Parts: sequence; C-alpha cells; structure tokens
Amino acid sequence: AQSVTQLGSHVSVSEGALVLLRCNYSSSVPPYLFWYVQYPNQGLQLLLKYTSAATLVKGINGFEAEFKKSETSFHLTKPSAHMSDAAEYFCAVSDGGGATNKLIFGTGTLLAVQP
Amino acid sequence: DTAVSQTPKYLVTQMGNDKSIKCEQNLGHDTMYWYKQDSKKFLKIMFSYNNKELIINETVPNRFSPKSPDKAHLNLHINSLELGDSAVYFCASSLSGAYTGELFFGEGSRLTVL
Repeated sequence: AQSVTQLGSHVSVSEGALVLLRCNYSSSVPPYLFWYVQYPNQGLQLLLKYTSAATLVKGINGFEAEFKKSETSFHLTKPSAHMSDAAEYFCAVSDGGGATNKLIFGTGTLLAVQP
Repeated sequence: DTAVSQTPKYLVTQMGNDKSIKCEQNLGHDTMYWYKQDSKKFLKIMFSYNNKELIINETVPNRFSPKSPDKAHLNLHINSLELGDSAVYFCASSLSGAYTGELFFGEGSRLTVL
C-alpha cells in the first residue's frame, strides 16, 4: 500500500527565509508524487508533480521539490517565503492513472510566515 | 468558468436529517471522487466513479450514497446525519488516461451537523 508521511504539522518561518516542508513516501511501485496547497476556506490547488521525467520539479509560486529515491523523499522548498505563502500544504502519492486511480494524502503541514 | 464546482458551499443541519451535495466538472474528465476532510485537515478518499461506474468505496457507512448521473456529475446524499459527519467534503476529477493521476478539486462543501 502506498503512503506519505509529512514531518512537522506546523512550520513557521520569517518572511524572506527558506521554506522546507518534508515529505517521505512509501510505495511498492514507482510513485507519482504531488504537492497541493490549500489556502483558508478554499479547495486544493496543485503546486507541482513528480512524473519521473526529472528529479527536480519546479512548480508555481516559486516552489520546487526534489525526488530522492534513496531517501524515499520529496521535500518541498522555496528560497524566500512570502506572506502569501501561508497555507496548508499536502503531499500526496498515486500509483498512476487509470480507472482505479486515487491520491493518498499526508496529514498536511501548516505553514505560517512571520513578518 | 469553474472547472470543478460544488453546491452548496455551506450546510448547517440537525442530527438525523438528510442532505445532498452536488458536484459538476467541465474538464471532460471521466473519473470523479469524493474526499472527506476532517477537523484536523486530514483528507481521506470516500468514493470514486469512472464513467458513472462506482470504482472505489472506502468502507464508508451506507448512510452515504453517491450517484453519478453522467460522467460530468457526481452527487453525494447523506442519510440520518450524525455529529461525526461534520467535515468539509471535496469533489475532485481526473482523466483516467492521464498517467500521473493528478486530481482537480472543487472548493469544498462545509457540512456542520448540530
């Protein structure tokens, strides 16, 4: 069975500081990995996805993530935090498309950005 | 145009009542889902439909009955509501031919059971 673990339910950074949100996965097949962001009272928006084409994936709003098979990790980073980055971030795993596809989500990390 | 739209956005109701949430997607996708997000923000899949056929049913109580009249619509009816049903319910869609399995989500429907 696939799963993802997000380390740290709350992360607080200062504006302009590096953002690092951690995600480790478990999968018996090559995984497809995603980061979604949820702003308050909104739905989930895709930030970026790993599809095996490249291990370093760039997403929207300056975020990127690196797939490390040896560490079974897919951590999300952003060099300089903005106030507008404050949100809940979810890591998710899929075993690919097809009629039985589903995303398995981590428990989320709430990012707070201090002025 | 909203890609995945859900109505209503908010429901407040008493225990024991029945309620429905509707979802529509205009992305041309063939697979639709219901996810439940609890008060701790944990997201768990409930159901998925592919071309109107139920594919995934994740041990959800049978008080929850999804219905897909066509591949662009997926509704969720909940009978005899309980306090524990209070949550945000998200509809999502995907294209089964898309190998990555990316999901597109609606804005959510916040259900409060009193």
